Amino acid sequence: AQSVTQLDSQVPVFEEAPVELRCNYSSSVSVYLFWYVQYPNQGLQLLLKYLSGSTLVKGINGFEAEFNKSQTSFHLRKPSVHISDTAEYFCAVSGGFQKLVFGTGTRLLVSP
Amino acid sequence: DTGVSQDPRHKITKRGQNVTFRCDPISEHNRLYWYRQTLGQGPEFLTYFQNEAQLEKSRLLSDRFSAERPKGSFSTLEIQRTEQGDSAMYLCASSPPPRYGNIQYFGAGTRLSVL
Repeated sequence: AQSVTQLDSQVPVFEEAPVELRCNYSSSVSVYLFWYVQYPNQGLQLLLKYLSGSTLVKGINGFEAEFNKSQTSFHLRKPSVHISDTAEYFCAVSGGFQKLVFGTGTRLLVSP
Repeated sequence: DTGVSQDPRHKITKRGQNVTFRCDPISEHNRLYWYRQTLGQGPEFLTYFQNEAQLEKSRLLSDRFSAERPKGSFSTLEIQRTEQGDSAMYLCASSPPPRYGNIQYFGAGTRLSVL
């Protein structure tokens, strides 16, 4: 079985500052890893994914994440955030072509 | 390609009533998933179809819940005798064949409020 832990329920940050949202996973098999973003009253939009290959993956809106197998982590980073990045961010894992298992989410609050 | 479409976007019902939600996946996506998201939580898996076959159901899916995907196209999720605890956002996702990886694309969701 897989599980995901998002260590921070809320991360406040000032505009143009860097941010890191933490994600740790647990799995007994090889995994696919994902970050999704959710704006209020909307569905989930895929930010980026790790399927195989390079451990540093780049996504949309300037976000990137690094897969670290030894630490079972997949932290999301952005060097300079904008007000429009304020949203809920979910890390997810799957063990193949199956269901996604999500973390509880991290609310990113960007203030001017 | 218009993305995953869910209908209705919002549903308010009284306890004990039946409700049905519809999901239209992205064309040529053979896999379709239903998730439930309650306030402050991440989405939780409910069930999964590959074409018209329902391949997995979560223990969250009680006997009052049923899902179908006739002809492997759109899917419906029905909740019978709704309870206040069913109030949640119901999300549908679809994904293409395996060679593209397990990338799931989500609809905007149906928000259910049971009074």
